[in-house]
Amino acid sequence: GAVVSQHPSRVICKSGTSVKIECRSLDFQATTMFWYRQFPKQSLMLMATSNEGSKATYEQGVEKDKFLINHASLTLSTLTVTSAHPEDSSFYICSVKTGDSPLHFGNGTRLTVT
Amino acid sequence: QKEVEQNSGPLSVPEGAIASLNCTYSDRGSQSFFWYRQYSGKSPELIMSIYSNGDKEDGRFTAQLNKASQYVSLLIRDSQPSDSATYLCAFFSNTGNQFYFGTGTSLTVIP
Repeated sequence: GAVVSQHPSRVICKSGTSVKIECRSLDFQATTMFWYRQFPKQSLMLMATSNEGSKATYEQGVEKDKFLINHASLTLSTLTVTSAHPEDSSFYICSVKTGDSPLHFGNGTRLTVT
Repeated sequence: QKEVEQNSGPLSVPEGAIASLNCTYSDRGSQSFFWYRQYSGKSPELIMSIYSNGDKEDGRFTAQLNKASQYVSLLIRDSQPSDSATYLCAFFSNTGNQFYFGTGTSLTVIP
């Protein structure tokens, strides 16, 4: 069964609005969640590492004020794309790792900004 | 130098043949290696993990790891059209506490 639940699976929004994506760990407590972005026909790009109870660690080039990450509990992390623009249109995927386990991915969120 | 190198392909094999996917990595200290399959428009799904040198078999899939050569491969026996996807090689870096992914190899199995 699914280990990670991600919602919504698809969202269309207007330029300038904000979108929140939720990522839930279903089977275990996740102290760390990873957020990736993938543009068409490109590889996964790590955006940030979400740590429960503390600030997220952002990769170089990712604007922390634009991509707000909140990891308020051991089972939930959220990514909010603020003031979205068409260039933010992409496939956003959260993932969870616990202990020595492999990375488990959510089903992803297809964001389209019009 | 990229952390993970994969041949982007595309790789085409006829149905029933063996597909061979290769990957090299840069972190000598890494202990955990993974192969993910990603269908178009979907998120990656784990198909194999390997932690020690040698071969690991799971059904039609065999992962091979050679830490001395910093090389990991995936063999798919009796390839099926449903195996057509992009295959991502990944390793976990203990020093960086993060996963590194290759760009993926696109595989097409021709009926």
